[in-house]
Amino acid sequence: DTAVSQTPKYLVTQMGNDKSIKCEQNLGHDTMYWYKQDSKKFLKIMFSYNNKELIINETVPNRFSPKSPDKAHLNLHINSLELGDSAVYFCASGRQGPSNQPQHFGDGTRLSIL
Amino acid sequence: AQKITQTQPGMFVQEKEAVTLDCTYDTSDQSYGLFWYKQPSSGEMIFLIYQGSYDEQNATEGRYSLNFQKARKSANLVISASQLGDSAMYFCAMRLYTGFQKLVFGTGTRLLVSP
Repeated sequence: DTAVSQTPKYLVTQMGNDKSIKCEQNLGHDTMYWYKQDSKKFLKIMFSYNNKELIINETVPNRFSPKSPDKAHLNLHINSLELGDSAVYFCASGRQGPSNQPQHFGDGTRLSIL
Repeated sequence: AQKITQTQPGMFVQEKEAVTLDCTYDTSDQSYGLFWYKQPSSGEMIFLIYQGSYDEQNATEGRYSLNFQKARKSANLVISASQLGDSAMYFCAMRLYTGFQKLVFGTGTRLLVSP
């Protein structure tokens, strides 16, 4: 049983195209996240949704639009892809509030822009 | 604001030896959690261990232990009896328990375990 699953695992596309990444969690968590890991392996949060409401938007270009149709799903749509968008994108889920429960991560989507 | 610093870009250790990966953090909040994640070459993020800011005992999980020194704002990961499979990137992260509670990561340490 995969806890956080994201598709696709690999995405190779050309500059200027539009692409989407999908994420689903079956852990019953109330909060989902998108992180970006750059070529130097640095991980940074992009967005967070709590109960379908956007609660974190970290100065991400508006070409990136997250959408959460329900608590278990969080998708990421990227318009007009640029070379600098090449990275690994991780979806994660967790619970709000003080807790020793960690955020659980999907396996990542490696996006390569040609 | 919250910040995590990992000053060791790379570490080498021989199999069966112990290794300490350093992590310092900066926050003025009193309520937070500290997490360590492992990222092997296959790319997934694996949760290893957690320490809460109010926990008085250092956390342990099998071969992993967390050396938590609150006054120094450090949360070092100790891996005992290293194994070849421990070779990976290790990330320290912090989550404040106020506000939007995002997870902030350090830059990571690449650990290489040699036979």
